Amino acid sequence: EAQVTQNPRYLITVTGKKLTVTCSQNMNHEYMSWYRQDPGLGLRQIYYSMNVEVTDKGDVPEGYKVSRKEKRNFPLILESPSPNQTSLYFCASKPVSYNEQFFGPGTRLTVL
Amino acid sequence: LAKTTQPISMDSYEGQEVNITCSHNNIATNDYITWYQQFPSQGPRFIIQGYKTKVTNEVASLFIPADRKSSTLSLPRVSLSDTAVYYCLVGLSGAGSYQLTFGKGTKLSVIP
Repeated sequence: EAQVTQNPRYLITVTGKKLTVTCSQNMNHEYMSWYRQDPGLGLRQIYYSMNVEVTDKGDVPEGYKVSRKEKRNFPLILESPSPNQTSLYFCASKPVSYNEQFFGPGTRLTVL
Repeated sequence: LAKTTQPISMDSYEGQEVNITCSHNNIATNDYITWYQQFPSQGPRFIIQGYKTKVTNEVASLFIPADRKSSTLSLPRVSLSDTAVYYCLVGLSGAGSYQLTFGKGTKLSVIP
């Protein structure tokens, strides 16, 4: 089944404790992206990647890191999480030539 | 950056046609317009994409005027299951960049 998977689905952590949210897709898509969703603010793009070793900032990259060492994986790293990063996070992928993004199920992160 | 503006919310009765308009005044020449649907606690799901004039698929139609500064998603004969948030998305695709900005979405409530 073609899909985007994220892990973990739920995470509660404390301020300053480094964490990684994994994202993996099995559709051989070149493009992958991370979004955060907060009430009243819609979806905001954090980082995106056009292909392996190619990443770029979205609208709200501060406090986040990403890497794209393999085509299928695009982990989101929070080196020192803060409470304002409490949010619902979505990973997505798509082929470069078409705009249909496939979204993962989401990761609900709470930073205390 | 192509910013989008949509109504915050809309109500409709079951069986009616619903039209949701999105404005994107500074859309770039190469940008496509894409609409997504999102149910609570799920990732957005692609509905339809267009560049100009009219596009129709099995679930919706997309109308884009000649100046492309706006677009209208049309949902025929809505049902309760169409209650969701609808996002208009315009891709910034110049010079190899794929920074994608979602608006805040339109919350559609379908009333029995």
